[in-house]
Amino acid sequence: DSGVTQTPKHLITATGQRVTLRCSPRSGDLSVYWYQQSLDQGLQFLIQYYNGEERAKGNILERFSAQQFPDLHSELNLSSLELGDSALYFCASSVDRQGDEQYFGPGTRLTVT
Amino acid sequence: GIQVEQSPPDLILQEGANSTLRCNFSDSVNNLQWFHQNPWGQLINLFYIPSGTKQNGRLSATTVATERYSLLYISSSQTTDSGVYFCAVGGFSGAGSYQLTFGKGTKLSVIP
Repeated sequence: DSGVTQTPKHLITATGQRVTLRCSPRSGDLSVYWYQQSLDQGLQFLIQYYNGEERAKGNILERFSAQQFPDLHSELNLSSLELGDSALYFCASSVDRQGDEQYFGPGTRLTVT
Repeated sequence: GIQVEQSPPDLILQEGANSTLRCNFSDSVNNLQWFHQNPWGQLINLFYIPSGTKQNGRLSATTVATERYSLLYISSSQTTDSGVYFCAVGGFSGAGSYQLTFGKGTKLSVIP
């Protein structure tokens, strides 16, 4: 158990819908990262938040957004869902600096039908 | 951005055999991690090893940062070692944003 929690574990929804994935980092970690794992793209970095502020951006679509709250939990919002958004979404956390070891949560498996 | 190549892409081992997985990366990095993704999809941290050598039971890893590669050794493999092994490196993308970049993984199957 990495100490990072994610909910829900599974999510099935229809095209065009919007969903919210939730992540709680390890106690004491200030950075939260979101990743997407799909069959065709592999594991890709989406976005990082540090202590409530966006710090780095990767291959995140404009339809996707994230935020980190004062209690340091984070949410990833996915809207106007398409079939190709079906993937495993991971959250990771680290203590502070970029370069610190990242610990991954169990993931949320999203299926868009 | 940083390129990460892992080899071999697939590996089939008899239980008890040893193996070496390789990760090459294209630029200097300040983070290198090895993960095991089990059949349930969980990503399990194996090593945080930007440089040097570490050992944890039957697993060990070595990173030679100056030559831009890392090796993961698995000795006396067990069926529970099956899964996909990922190498991920931390550095700055072409856009100047820091990120962890994953290789495509090595799929390991250990047969009894």
